Amino acid sequence: DIQMTQSPSSLSASVGDRVTITCQASHDIRNYLNWYQQKPGKAPNLLIYDASDLDTGVPSRFSGSGSGTDFTFTISSLQPEDIATYYCQQYDDLPYTFGQGTKLEIK
Amino acid sequence: EVQLVESGGGLVQPGRSLRLSCTGSGFIFGDYVMSWFRQVPGKGLEWVGFIRSKPFGGTEYAASVKGRFIIARDDSKSLAYLQMNSLQTEDTAVYYCTRGSMVRGVPFYWGQGTLVTVSS
Repeated sequence: DIQMTQSPSSLSASVGDRVTITCQASHDIRNYLNWYQQKPGKAPNLLIYDASDLDTGVPSRFSGSGSGTDFTFTISSLQPEDIATYYCQQYDDLPYTFGQGTKLEIK
Repeated sequence: EVQLVESGGGLVQPGRSLRLSCTGSGFIFGDYVMSWFRQVPGKGLEWVGFIRSKPFGGTEYAASVKGRFIIARDDSKSLAYLQMNSLQTEDTAVYYCTRGSMVRGVPFYWGQGTLVTVSS
């Protein structure tokens, strides 16, 4: 199985800050990586697919980059509504696997 | 608008069976791969399995559920099913139905989830 190592596991930042989350795959996954946002009690919501493509309707302050084994997710200017847990997920090979999540809080 | 609604969750004893249903709307159901994921409350996400569309056929399962869980679909009713047999306490989770692309089970759209609790 492909292991996804996501860091940090939690993050506290101020409104307006630039926030970065990283995800490392144990094998080359090309660009087959998604980023999801999950708010408490809700289903995950796709933000970015194919490592860097923004899903429809997702604010432009969210972005993703990377390929191969190293990926980055960035919020350019943190907003209060961005408080959530964020997950990366690879779909290069079965089983699909997720990072352990990054819980984002407002400082 | 793509909508997915799961039903059928609840409390079940270890060793028993339960069937979840997922109703899709807002898209041509038969054209897409339908998947199931689960999440232990407060924990991370796990892929359970998926069923391809009829032209491609077939199912895939996670090792943790293979041989116990069966995914099926009824395209005439826009329904996907997750038949869960020989349930174990570690199967306790919120189960999500998702819609993929026409060829991949990548979860682009998610239902709201249904909680399955396996306990005596």
